Amino acid sequence: DTGVSQDPRHKITKRGQNVTFRCDPISEHNRLYWYRQTLGQGPEFLTYFQNEAQLEKSRLLSDRFSAERPKGSFSTLEIQRTEQGDSAMYLCASRLAGVKAGELFFGEGSRLTVL
Amino acid sequence: DAKTTQPTSMDCAEGRAANLPCNHSTISGNEYVYWYRQIHSQGPQYIIHGLKNNETNEMASLIITEDRKSSTLILPHATLRDTAVYYCIVRVFSGYALNFGKGTSLLVTP
Repeated sequence: DTGVSQDPRHKITKRGQNVTFRCDPISEHNRLYWYRQTLGQGPEFLTYFQNEAQLEKSRLLSDRFSAERPKGSFSTLEIQRTEQGDSAMYLCASRLAGVKAGELFFGEGSRLTVL
Repeated sequence: DAKTTQPTSMDCAEGRAANLPCNHSTISGNEYVYWYRQIHSQGPQYIIHGLKNNETNEMASLIITEDRKSSTLILPHATLRDTAVYYCIVRVFSGYALNFGKGTSLLVTP
């Protein structure tokens, strides 16, 4: 499968624990995005990378959240000291800059449940 | 980015055309109209986008009014697998993020 892959697909954790999600974009895609989606809402933008550079962060990305893309390939999203309000689907998307700029390719998402 | 307004939900009979409207009265000249859909428990999927001309691809047609203040996504022969939430998004071409709203929940019935 050459699409965007995310791991794990589901994560249940206790409040206060740290969690990390991984995203592997489509191999030649240099732009990578993280979104969060809560029940009944559309996806909300969190942050985006061009290659290894994090170029934009939403105000939704609190200090407890950190995202990296160390070699411009896969990316990780870490949430520290999780809260129940962090329960959501975390979606990763990628695209190739300059080509059909609106067409983001999304992964299946990582669903987080904080107890 | 301009805001969009979509109906919360719509029904369509299988085999009929599904016409999903979107209002974007504050759209500016350099903003495109994008449509995505999200089938339950999956990530969003790109459908189509356009600036001012009508567009068609293998999935759907996009009709944009002459004043560009509204558009309609047409699924010409809806199937049960088209049941999904459809998002209309307006954004400049080079923008970094898509701002999804709540979309329209389309139910295709047998």
